[in-house]
Amino acid sequence: AQKITQTQPGMFVQEKEAVTLDCTYDTSDQSYGLFWYKQPSSGEMIFLIYQGSYDEQNATEGRYSLNFQKARKSANLVISASQLGDSAMYFCAMRGDQAGTALIFGKGTTLSVSS
Amino acid sequence: ETGVTQTPRHLVMGMTNKKSLKCEQHLGHNAMYWYKQSAKKPLELMFVYNFKEQTENNSVPSRFSPECPNSSHLFLHLHTLQPEDSALYLCASSHLAGTANTEAFFGQGTRLTVV
Repeated sequence: AQKITQTQPGMFVQEKEAVTLDCTYDTSDQSYGLFWYKQPSSGEMIFLIYQGSYDEQNATEGRYSLNFQKARKSANLVISASQLGDSAMYFCAMRGDQAGTALIFGKGTTLSVSS
Repeated sequence: ETGVTQTPRHLVMGMTNKKSLKCEQHLGHNAMYWYKQSAKKPLELMFVYNFKEQTENNSVPSRFSPECPNSSHLFLHLHTLQPEDSALYLCASSHLAGTANTEAFFGQGTRLTVV
């Protein structure tokens, strides 16, 4: 079975600072994908970044980067230069490579950015 | 219209009512999903459809009945719900489920309150 663990219920950061949101995972699949989503108060889940299990480089998308440590089974999200609009819930998710599988999610971390 | 659209955005229903949630995607995806998001819980996968065929039912009570008439539309029929079914119901779509690097695109959800 696959499992995602996010141990930080809430994080607080000042504008322009960097913040790391933790995510660890467990899976027996050899091939899998790791994802981060942002959920503002409006409710929609917004895809941020993807890391494949065989990717040697850490994924980056603008201010988002994923610190992938395969041996430790961790996939932390780093947001550089935080902005007020980054305040939201952040979910780590993963998907295996078996037919019919869907994304499974962690409990999420609430990020609050202050000025 | 683009993306994934869910209607209604908000729904209040009595325990004896019958209602339906609708999801529509215009992304050309072949897989669609229903997730339930309750307070302080991870997103729970409910149902997975690949090419209109249900490939996963995650032990969901029979008072929730999904329907996928084509790869662009997904419904969740509700009847005799309980107050604990109050939650945000999120629909998502992706290219074929079971591919590890396939992100899912989400609708804005239906906020359901059972009274």
